[in-house]
Amino acid sequence: DQQVKQNSPSLSVQEGRISILNCDYTNSMFDYFLWYKKYPAEGPTFLISISSIKDKNEDGRFTVFLNKSAKHLSLHIVPSQPGDSAVYFCAALSNWNYGGSQGNLIFGKGTKLSVKP
Amino acid sequence: NAGVTQTPKFRVLKTGQSMTLLCAQDMNHEYMYWYRQDPGMGLRLIHYSVGEGTTAKGEVPDGYNVSRLKKQNFLLGLESAAPSQTSVYFCASSSHRLAGVSYEQYFGPGTRLTVT
Repeated sequence: DQQVKQNSPSLSVQEGRISILNCDYTNSMFDYFLWYKKYPAEGPTFLISISSIKDKNEDGRFTVFLNKSAKHLSLHIVPSQPGDSAVYFCAALSNWNYGGSQGNLIFGKGTKLSVKP
Repeated sequence: NAGVTQTPKFRVLKTGQSMTLLCAQDMNHEYMYWYRQDPGMGLRLIHYSVGEGTTAKGEVPDGYNVSRLKKQNFLLGLESAAPSQTSVYFCASSSHRLAGVSYEQYFGPGTRLTVT
């Protein structure tokens, strides 16, 4: 059963517009959420994170919103640039020892973002 | 400061062959991880280590073994490779393990393994 879901495999956006990438989770014990960005033939790189006690975290053009009641988070990129074209992974972490997953990142399947000039 | 490096970058194996993937980090991180990524899938944790000399199973450990003899190195072994192990393997390291003020894992560039 997938605990972290990214239901959109791909997203295409025009340069300068907003990109919104969505992520849903099923486990209310997650304490921390992270977004990673991955270019082809490279390893994922950390982008931004949010603690479960917050509902928003902003870093330059990137903002992550967390809606705990809906078990939903989203990554907003404003304005989108062609260099943002990559696969974005949502990941969740729990400090609690459930099913032996304490401290391990649980990843979604990723969303491929294409930003067109 | 190289971060996390992986050796080799590419490898083709025949079914039944064995090999070892090497991961090295120069950030003095306590925690290290091995993931695999398959098409249309997220990263799945194979094994991890919470310190030198310790290892633990992740989500998909079958068919793999690991060792952490030195703090900076984490080895992933395939004793008898199978076509189902064709994948891209990523190593990662982190200074924290539980969510606190900040938490992130740093990833290597990956090893593309094909088993025929």
